[in-house]
Amino acid sequence: EVQLLESGGGLVQPGGSLRLSCAASGFTLSSYGVSWVRQAPGKGLDWVSVISASGGSTYYADSVKGRFTISRDNSKNTLYLQMNSLRAEDTAVYYCAKRAAVGPYYFDYWGQGTLVTVSS
Amino acid sequence: EIVLTQSPGTLSLSPGERATLSCRASQSVSSSYLAWYQQKPGQAPRLLIYGASSRATGIPDRFSGSGSGTDFTLTISRLEPEDFAVYYCQQYGSSQYTFGQGTKLEIK
Repeated sequence: EVQLLESGGGLVQPGGSLRLSCAASGFTLSSYGVSWVRQAPGKGLDWVSVISASGGSTYYADSVKGRFTISRDNSKNTLYLQMNSLRAEDTAVYYCAKRAAVGPYYFDYWGQGTLVTVSS
Repeated sequence: EIVLTQSPGTLSLSPGERATLSCRASQSVSSSYLAWYQQKPGQAPRLLIYGASSRATGIPDRFSGSGSGTDFTLTISRLEPEDFAVYYCQQYGSSQYTFGQGTKLEIK
């Protein structure tokens, strides 16, 4: 069974840093690109970043470019999101999502999310 | 950046009725790059439709997708109680993904 399990969320002050992890099981992470998607409380889905299967290509939403870094350790079947210079507007549930087997344009498996709260 | 606008914002219907949800793009989107998701409270999104009209694994055939260019539609032919949720369209382009703001399907 494919599973994605996020961790690392919590309360952080504005300007602070946090590192999220997403542990994959039930499939070979190295075969798929993976994304982070966030959802502010009561709001819609907001794509954050994607990393290719090999890790050689990364892309970011303009809102996080230069502050967030996506990475992966295929030997550990784990995805990461390093978040620096955090702002109140980064407060959200962060989901990791696997690119679909039917095509890299959508996401077929999602984790349950980890909540990041940026507040003083 | 392509903007996806979903309508209506909220749709109130009864079980057994037909639901039609719209997703309009600010510029043309390849049908291959258009997907729909369902999200229930406290849960992660679930892929329903990909490639504008193909059902994902395990999705009942009462869900169907259609459209091309800038106008896409998700249709639920006969609403079941478990279908009341928020629905999002999503597109891919230029190595970026964007989501619509969502349509809440609520029980009338």
